[in-house]
Amino acid sequence: DTAVSQTPKYLVTQMGNDKSIKCEQNLGHDTMYWYKQDSKKFLKIMFSYNNKELIINETVPNRFSPKSPDKAHLNLHINSLELGDSAVYFCASSQQDTQYFGPGTRLTVL
Amino acid sequence: AQTVTQSQPEMSVQEAETVTLSCTYDTSESDYYLFWYKQPPSRQMILVIRQEAYKQQNATENRFSVNFQKAAKSFSLKISDSQLGDAAMYFCAYALMKTSYDKVIFGPGTSLSVIP
Repeated sequence: DTAVSQTPKYLVTQMGNDKSIKCEQNLGHDTMYWYKQDSKKFLKIMFSYNNKELIINETVPNRFSPKSPDKAHLNLHINSLELGDSAVYFCASSQQDTQYFGPGTRLTVL
Repeated sequence: AQTVTQSQPEMSVQEAETVTLSCTYDTSESDYYLFWYKQPPSRQMILVIRQEAYKQQNATENRFSVNFQKAAKSFSLKISDSQLGDAAMYFCAYALMKTSYDKVIFGPGTSLSVIP
């Protein structure tokens, strides 16, 4: 059983396009996150949702809009994609003290 | 602000040998959690080991163990009997976790190579 899943795993798109990445967790966790891992492998939190409510927004451009339809899902929509958005995006969930990560989505903006 | 530092960008170890990855962190809190995550080429983030700061006993998971020095704010990972499958990026991470949704702060990572 996949605990935290993301779709798609790979996403290649042109600059200026709008794209979405979906995340689902079947762990029953209350909290979900989006992280961005850049080309130097540096991993940084973008957003955190707890029971569908935005908790953390780490000064991410407003072109990035997370949406949580229910506590098992946290989707990431990106408008007007830029070259610098190319990265691996990880979804994660947690209930107490440990985060569990999805497989990541490699986004390439051409 | 809390920070996590990993001073070794790259390390290598001979198969079956032991290697220690370093991690230091900065915090003014007394109760927190520390983690080591492994990221193999498949890019999946895998939890290797976790340590609760209020526990003095060092955490151990099979061939993986930590040396937690709270006063020195040091949290190193020891991998014994290294295997080829241990080759990966290793991230040290810190989390306050006073609430269930406190963010995790990651170090820059150490790339570990295992030499056959």
